[in-house]
Amino acid sequence: GAVVSQHPSRVICKSGTSVKIECRSLDFQATTMFWYRQFPKKSLMLMATSNEGSKATYEQGVEKDKFLINHASLTLSTLTVTSAHPEDSSFYICSARSHNTGKDYEQYFGPGTRLTVT
Amino acid sequence: GENVEQHPSTLSVQEGDSAVIKCTYSDSASNYFPWYKQELGKRPQLIIDIRSNVGEKKDQRIAVTLNKTAKHFSLHITETQPEDSAVYFCAAIDYGQNFVFGPGTRLSVLP
Repeated sequence: GAVVSQHPSRVICKSGTSVKIECRSLDFQATTMFWYRQFPKKSLMLMATSNEGSKATYEQGVEKDKFLINHASLTLSTLTVTSAHPEDSSFYICSARSHNTGKDYEQYFGPGTRLTVT
Repeated sequence: GENVEQHPSTLSVQEGDSAVIKCTYSDSASNYFPWYKQELGKRPQLIIDIRSNVGEKKDQRIAVTLNKTAKHFSLHITETQPEDSAVYFCAAIDYGQNFVFGPGTRLSVLP
């Protein structure tokens, strides 16, 4: 149980275009979803937290107009990288947490999306 | 806010030996400490966690110890195997119940 999927797994886009990444909780309702960014050989940096039906809370230094997050349902959150530039190339990972699994703090991670902006 | 440090950054051990990774945290209010294993290009996988009301937890070859007074916790892997090779991240909960991750430890188990 507690499976999180992410799509696409890899995407290559041209500079200036927008890319949407989907994160789905497959067998539970995710009351909270998290988006992380991970540079090569580095740790996971939290970008934003989103609760279903409300606006995302962004971490300091993360541009909310550039990284649009939507959490429209209890099983789906999307991250849209707008007007992507090469410096946005990274590994983006989502995670989901549910207060209904009996494990209030545990986060279940998606497989990640490798974004390359050319 | 919460700050998590992790040592060592890299660790090489011979197969069958033990490996220990240590983390310190800054927020005394943190009460949940998970450890994640991440293989190259894959998602982080929870391997063990501990809450602040216990000092030690064990699951087969993996154990975690917590010292709340000193604000540090450690991951212990015994009888290491080549498949234990990966990057390990510790984390602590911050005031917003978000994870703050340590910088990671690259463990190599040499055959």
